[in-house]
Amino acid sequence: DAGVTQSPTHLIKTRGQQVTLRCSPKSGHDTVSWYQQALGQGPQFIFQYYEEEERQRGNFPDRFSGHQFPNYSSELNVNALLLGDSALYLCASSLEQGGGYTFGSGTRLTVV
Amino acid sequence: AQSVTQLDSHVSVSEGTPVLLRCNYSSSYSPSLFWYVQHPNKGLQLLLKYTSAATLVKGINGFEAEFKKSETSFHLTKPSAHMSDAAEYFCVVSLLNTGFQKLVFGTGTRLLVSP
Repeated sequence: DAGVTQSPTHLIKTRGQQVTLRCSPKSGHDTVSWYQQALGQGPQFIFQYYEEEERQRGNFPDRFSGHQFPNYSSELNVNALLLGDSALYLCASSLEQGGGYTFGSGTRLTVV
Repeated sequence: AQSVTQLDSHVSVSEGTPVLLRCNYSSSYSPSLFWYVQHPNKGLQLLLKYTSAATLVKGINGFEAEFKKSETSFHLTKPSAHMSDAAEYFCVVSLLNTGFQKLVFGTGTRLLVSP
């Protein structure tokens, strides 16, 4: 049973660049949420996608955007990278009608 | 607004001794509460969840937590620590019975287990 798959696992980017992170949800799940976990902090909610639309958004600037595809997979895009964007980015999938979340192992983004 | 406060950033125990990780919550509604564990370079794993059923919740790996409304607490316990329990633990709150769920995480408690 495949869980949540995230790619890549690690990434190094330069300030000002753009990055795309990818997430494949657990089989049967239709909702994808993204979280940012800075070093030494708890994860912070970025946004959630359902039926290919952004349903809710946390306190993150418009540089953070996303997409959900018909197969429920999702992308997180970050433009104009800042040093402060360095973090572990976690994807979590779930069912829209409820139930628990399944988290991926995350993508470690380092901005230099 | 929902929030959780984890009262200890670090907890150190010896193997075989009890574990207590403390969490207080704030919620205008009847909350759903969770404990997640994160091992180094790993994703988050659900330990247990409370959703207004029994106030004493049993989870995986011998962990349990008790929901105390009068104290707005949801502390995580384990009778006997194992070396493999060393990890970061997060207390999490979520809205109950809404079409949209957003998890709000505490700042985490790092559990250190010594031989």
